Amino acid sequence: TQLLEQSPQFLSIQEGENLTVYCNSSSVFSSLQWYRQEPGEGPVLLVTVVTGGEVKKLKRLTFQFGDARKDSSLHITAAQPGDTGLYLCAGPLDYIPGNMLTFGGGTRLMVKP
Amino acid sequence: DTGVSQDPRHKITKRGQNVTFRCDPISEHNRLYWYRQTLGQGPEFLTYFQNEAQLEKSRLLSDRFSAERPKGSFSTLEIQRTEQGDSAMYLCASSQRTTRGVRETQYFGPGTRLLVL
Repeated sequence: TQLLEQSPQFLSIQEGENLTVYCNSSSVFSSLQWYRQEPGEGPVLLVTVVTGGEVKKLKRLTFQFGDARKDSSLHITAAQPGDTGLYLCAGPLDYIPGNMLTFGGGTRLMVKP
Repeated sequence: DTGVSQDPRHKITKRGQNVTFRCDPISEHNRLYWYRQTLGQGPEFLTYFQNEAQLEKSRLLSDRFSAERPKGSFSTLEIQRTEQGDSAMYLCASSQRTTRGVRETQYFGPGTRLLVL
């Protein structure tokens, strides 16, 4: 059982559609980070959310951190083929003093033209 | 702006051989992390350094694995007597510890993909 559960695991949509990816846990996180990873490359940071209830926007991407800091969501508006990739949420657990990240299993998104 | 770099990017080795990977963090970052990612999964934490001190090791880091960061700058990860189950992407990340009480963001390198035959 993973501490961070991401859903859905796979998502295939047409260009122009909207989508939401979820990241859920029963544990509290100090912060949550969202990364996108291309095949054969390392994860690239998209955003960090720190405060419960925080909403951050990055162009067509909207990130939300749950009030209790146990969950987060990523919403993409009008998806484009360039959004294709593996989306990972990760965070340091609140009860562990180090800063090591716990990752979700990822959501693999494919946006077809 | 130079990000985190890793070398080599790919490594193919035979079972039983030793391999060593290098990570160069972002220059002003004092924390360095190693993660392992198997196909279709999210990365898993292996170990991390603050300056030259290794502060935490995961139970995933068996006795065949050793990591060093001798001068608090670059780090090496060595795997001795490799096994097929060691095949994975090995990721390095770095961050700058803050004193503000906020957990700092980690920035990842491109990874080293290891294949053990």
